[in-house]
Amino acid sequence: KNQVEQSPQSLIILEGKNCTLQCNYTVSPFSNLRWYKQDTGRGPVSLTIMTFSENTKSNGRYTATLDADTKQSSLHITASQLSDSASYICVVSLAPSGGYNKLIFGAGTRLAVHP
Amino acid sequence: DAGVTQSPTHLIKTRGQQVTLRCSPKSGHDTVSWYQQALGQGPQFIFQYYEEEERQRGNFPDRFSGHQFPNYSSELNVNALLLGDSALYLCASSLAGAKNIQYFGAGTRLSVL
Repeated sequence: KNQVEQSPQSLIILEGKNCTLQCNYTVSPFSNLRWYKQDTGRGPVSLTIMTFSENTKSNGRYTATLDADTKQSSLHITASQLSDSASYICVVSLAPSGGYNKLIFGAGTRLAVHP
Repeated sequence: DAGVTQSPTHLIKTRGQQVTLRCSPKSGHDTVSWYQQALGQGPQFIFQYYEEEERQRGNFPDRFSGHQFPNYSSELNVNALLLGDSALYLCASSLAGAKNIQYFGAGTRLSVL
């Protein structure tokens, strides 16, 4: 069964600290993995996308890693800011079938950054 | 260049009613996907439209239906609303064949009383 599991479910950190969010997946055939940031009541916004051959991708203070062998990904946030408070969703795309790439969403990690 | 726009932003309905949600895709995109996101959960795929036809469908009952227009905009219709249909409904647009990179709208928050 295609699944994406994220941990922790929620996280509280102090402003300026670093944190790492985890994503484990059992998805086949794999195409790519994305991390999205979703502010409360808003739509998800893409942070990074990685294909099978990429093992790290950065977007400002966000750095995503991918280990395709162990089927694990992480999102590292450096020097957190209050505006980083949001849900972070890991999404895995299956290889296309019939012209369609099915996306498997994780439940997300809710991050709260406190002053 | 407008991104994905959804309307309305909020909606309150009662059980048994019908609702129509609207989505305009990002300029240049031809594919629209709809998702339902319950509070504290990840989005659940409802269906995807391409070339005015439903191309793929998730595990949702027939009460959920959709339409795509020649200008690529789309509607999601839900009939006989249930309390459990209360959720954030997200529309995502993409360009067919382009790794399916989906851009999401801000969503429509539907509350069924």
